[in-house]
This record gives sequence, structure tokens and C-alpha cells, in this order.
Amino acid sequence: DAGVIQSPRHEVTEMGQEVTLRCKPISGHDYLFWYRQTMMRGLELLIYFNNNVPIDDSGMPEDRFSAKMPNASFSTLKIQPSEPRDSAVYFCASSLTPGGPLHFGNGTRLTVT
Amino acid sequence: EDKVVQSPLSLVVHEGDTVTLNCSYEVTNFRSLLWYKQEKKAPTFLFMLTSSGIEKKSGRLSSILDKKELFSILNITATQTGDSAVYLCAVGGGGTSYGKLTFGQGTILTVHP
Repeated sequence: DAGVIQSPRHEVTEMGQEVTLRCKPISGHDYLFWYRQTMMRGLELLIYFNNNVPIDDSGMPEDRFSAKMPNASFSTLKIQPSEPRDSAVYFCASSLTPGGPLHFGNGTRLTVT
Repeated sequence: EDKVVQSPLSLVVHEGDTVTLNCSYEVTNFRSLLWYKQEKKAPTFLFMLTSSGIEKKSGRLSSILDKKELFSILNITATQTGDSAVYLCAVGGGGTSYGKLTFGQGTILTVHP
């Protein structure tokens, strides 16, 4: 299996622009997670899905963030409008079982200027 | 709210030393505790500990879980420069936490030749 695939690897954008991050989970994994990592706050869970349904979005910072999972093999995280404080590495991860090992993608490094 | 605290935050040792990394947690209806290693990119899975598996070992790495005292340790013996990384601890719970993992802030381990 190719593992969790994220795109793009790097994204540099100006404040106010829309940003869309993409993720393809491992086939057969029913759980998909979006995490954000910064030096100050570490790895923070933003939202997770089970069988394409959002289960917990309490970690989404504010209304500027939204996530979708239209099918079992694709998810997006959108930030609109982006702000400099959104700069971070965004990881997508998937797992086979609840509370089980997460398989992480290589992340998207987002820089908002 | 689930909470994971790791200590120390950073550690510098020389090759051949033995290190012990600590992880304490508060979680509703504990299900699992996981250890990850993160080098330049995404975290990679090391161990998962549960009520039915409170001790794991793989080569020079070992981990134990104390469910009564709510902590876990990760031991690395005969450290090598390749062990330099951030080590992350995560816990999975039940109830409103079902399905997700909450991460600690990590321990930065630096192994000098």
C-alpha cells in the first residue's frame, strides 16, 4: 500500500487567500484524522471522520476552517481566508481501529505571509 | 478533556547511554497508549499498550504501562545517533474521546557521538 498521501507538500500563500489541503487515506481504514503541528502547541487534533462522517470537529480553530470527506478515499481541509497564524504543518492520518495506530501522511507545510 | 504530559521536554545524551522518557495522562475510559518517533517528517508508530498488553519490547526499545498510576515509560538502551528524534506519546479513550488520539508535547532526544 502507498500509505497516506497528502498534497501539496508545501504551500506558500498570502493572507486572505483560500487554501485547500488534500488527503488520500490508506484503503480500508475507516478513520481519518486531520492534525496540525506547531512548535508552540505540538500536535493538535482538528477533526476526525469515521466512515466519511465527521465525528468530532471541536478542534477546528474557527469558522475559517472546514473539512470534508466526500468518499472513503478522499478528504480536504480548507482554510478561507488564511491568516499568518495558520502557518503550521498539517498532517492527515488514518487508522483501521478506534484508538489504534495512526498512519500519518508526510504532511503539508503551510506558510501564510 | 483528555490530557497527556511528557517529560522531560528535551534530553541530551551520548551514544551508549540509556534513557527513560515519561508520559502521564488523564483520559476518560482509557483504551490505549501509543508511542511514536518523529524525525524530519511524519510520526512513525513504535508501540501500542492496552489493558491486555502493558509491556512491549522491540530491540533496544521497551515500554511499560502503569494503568493504576496513569503513566507510561519508554526506555531506550545503548542509544545511537539514529535515535535522535522527537518521541511522542498519545492516548485513546472512550466516551466523547472514542476513536481519537490525544498527543503530548513530545520529548526531544539528542544523542551525541
